[in-house]
Amino acid sequence: EAQVTQNPRYLITVTGKKLTVTCSQNMNHEYMSWYRQDPGLGLRQIYYSMNVEVTDKGDVPEGYKVSRKEKRNFPLILESPSPNQTSLYFCASRNSPGALIETQYFGPGTRLLVL
Amino acid sequence: DQQVKQNSPSLSVQEGRISILNCDYTNSMFDYFLWYKKYPAEGPTFLISISSIKDKNEDGRFTVFLNKSAKHLSLHIVPSQPGDSAVYFCAASAAYSGGGADGLTFGKGTHLIIQP
Repeated sequence: EAQVTQNPRYLITVTGKKLTVTCSQNMNHEYMSWYRQDPGLGLRQIYYSMNVEVTDKGDVPEGYKVSRKEKRNFPLILESPSPNQTSLYFCASRNSPGALIETQYFGPGTRLLVL
Repeated sequence: DQQVKQNSPSLSVQEGRISILNCDYTNSMFDYFLWYKKYPAEGPTFLISISSIKDKNEDGRFTVFLNKSAKHLSLHIVPSQPGDSAVYFCAASAAYSGGGADGLTFGKGTHLIIQP
């Protein structure tokens, strides 16, 4: 079954404690990205990756890092989380940067609370 | 400044009737529009899209209408079914190319509740 998986699904942490949210897809997709969803703001893109070792900033990259060492994985790293990063995070993937955006798969989401 | 607005946080509709979800945008450069559906504890899934060269696109029970002069689009669901209960996001894109940053601007969503 084609899917995008995220772990953990729920996380409560404290300010400043480094954390990583993993994202993995089993469709051999080149393109992956991270979004955050906040009340009253819809989804906003954080970072994206067009292929292995190729990453770039989205609309709201501050406070986040990503890496793309393998095609299937695209972890989101918060080196020093702050309360304003409390949000619902979605990973997404599609076949290639040029693929229709409608073909993009989203993961189930990770709800993060930073105290 | 919200460029894509979904002014109704929630909408309740009786099963079998028509559901109409509205979306307004302010950026006249937007030329591609999408609707996503989201169930609790799941990621958004693509529902239907429309290019600015069209004013209507239909897919089964779902129809999206675009009024460029009013900068308004709407999603019609006919007939509404219990499985349609979900949050619906409107999204818009300028100079859609499918590559690089998605360039998507999302609305904040409308929670549709279908009552039996």
